[in-house]
Amino acid sequence: GQQLNQSPQSMFIQEGEDVSMNCTSSSIFNTWLWYKQDPGEGPVLLIALYKAGELTSNGRLTAQFGITRKDSFLNISASIPSDVGIYFCAGRLGGATNKLIFGTGTLLAVQP
Amino acid sequence: DVKVTQSSRYLVKRTGEKVFLECVQDMDHENMFWYRQDPGLGLRLIYFSYDVKMKEKGDIPEGYSVSREKKERFSLILESASTNQTSMYLCASSLTTSRFYNEQFFGPGTRLTVL
Repeated sequence: GQQLNQSPQSMFIQEGEDVSMNCTSSSIFNTWLWYKQDPGEGPVLLIALYKAGELTSNGRLTAQFGITRKDSFLNISASIPSDVGIYFCAGRLGGATNKLIFGTGTLLAVQP
Repeated sequence: DVKVTQSSRYLVKRTGEKVFLECVQDMDHENMFWYRQDPGLGLRLIYFSYDVKMKEKGDIPEGYSVSREKKERFSLILESASTNQTSMYLCASSLTTSRFYNEQFFGPGTRLTVL
């Protein structure tokens, strides 16, 4: 099945630093979602984006739906130790589908 | 809050056993999904269901079947478990009839080990 290109694969940062990660595709998406997964748990939805160019925040997290509809970005400002986890992007292609395509994940480690 | 629960967090089975993984959601969602998650491979869709008794194959349906007899419950069945089915299994659900219908909500996962 198709997967989204997500980068970076992993990040090791100091507490207080800002973080950026992104997902890209050769296909056009109608929806972008960002999830966080803690170790041993299921993914939790952080932000949903429905419109090209849309910029949405959730606390220290900000995500953008790329204007070309082929990419999306997630920024975390002033990271804290509990931000540790794997971050996934997911997108929905156009048409009548309920299926999502997932990125390969970005592992974030935060050093206190 | 949407709640998706899975019957077991950890499961150990032997090769050849029949395995049932159950998922229940309490928000009246039409769509339910089963994924497996493996290191380096991300989330891969096994099966999904958009209504009671309806099912569609995902990307990796081989070796699995599903059952949806009630709207809130979606079961994944491994007819004869094999070691290559050792994985983390995640269930998710979503609405159809809303502008937010793309948003899938996940359960905590079942880590299955097949010996």
